[in-house]
Amino acid sequence: SQTIHQWPATLVQPVGSPLSLECTVEGTSNPNLYWYRQAAGRGLQLLFYSVGIGQISSEVPQNLSASRPQDRQFILSSKKLLLSDSGFYLCAWSGDPSSPLHFGNGTRLTVT
Amino acid sequence: AQTVTQSQPEMSVQEAETVTLSCTYDTSESNYYLFWYKQPPSRQMILVIRQEAYKQQNATENRFSVNFQKAAKSFSLKISDSQLGDTAMYFCAFVTSGTYKYIFGTGTRLKVLA
Repeated sequence: SQTIHQWPATLVQPVGSPLSLECTVEGTSNPNLYWYRQAAGRGLQLLFYSVGIGQISSEVPQNLSASRPQDRQFILSSKKLLLSDSGFYLCAWSGDPSSPLHFGNGTRLTVT
Repeated sequence: AQTVTQSQPEMSVQEAETVTLSCTYDTSESNYYLFWYKQPPSRQMILVIRQEAYKQQNATENRFSVNFQKAAKSFSLKISDSQLGDTAMYFCAFVTSGTYKYIFGTGTRLKVLA
């Protein structure tokens, strides 16, 4: 069966520090991969998605970036965090656009 | 632009009663898929139900069912025999077959009262 791993679960970082969140999927090949952010009490905002290695689509221009170095690995990064980057980050995958998204457990990021 | 609107930020229902959560969406595509997700306090996203836009029949999953009105672009979720464990945030979402972007609404926080 397919599983998705996301880490770390919780992160507290100072303003201006770098960020790296990692997500891996097991049990499937060539998944579509996604990063969402959920601000406190808000809905899910699509940040990035990838339909293949090296293919990244950005939905929100900001100081975050994403990379997909391997088929089942998706990384969310920032060179310098802002206070507004605080939130709950969710990684997800799907097999194709008719399938539901399967989510990781999320990362709670607090920028201080 | 493709959007999803959930007009009820918060709702409450008595245990064992029935509640309906509203969702409307906007797309110019004719082929798409709709979903309801549940996010309990643990914040794990759990798929509740899925609907294919080309199917007339409303999807059901145990106590959960949808009222899909394609012409009105409405996709409401009905929870029957509400249980305390149904207390959660509920998100409506859709994806068109021509894209890979899953668009979510802002959610409805549902509280089931004992």
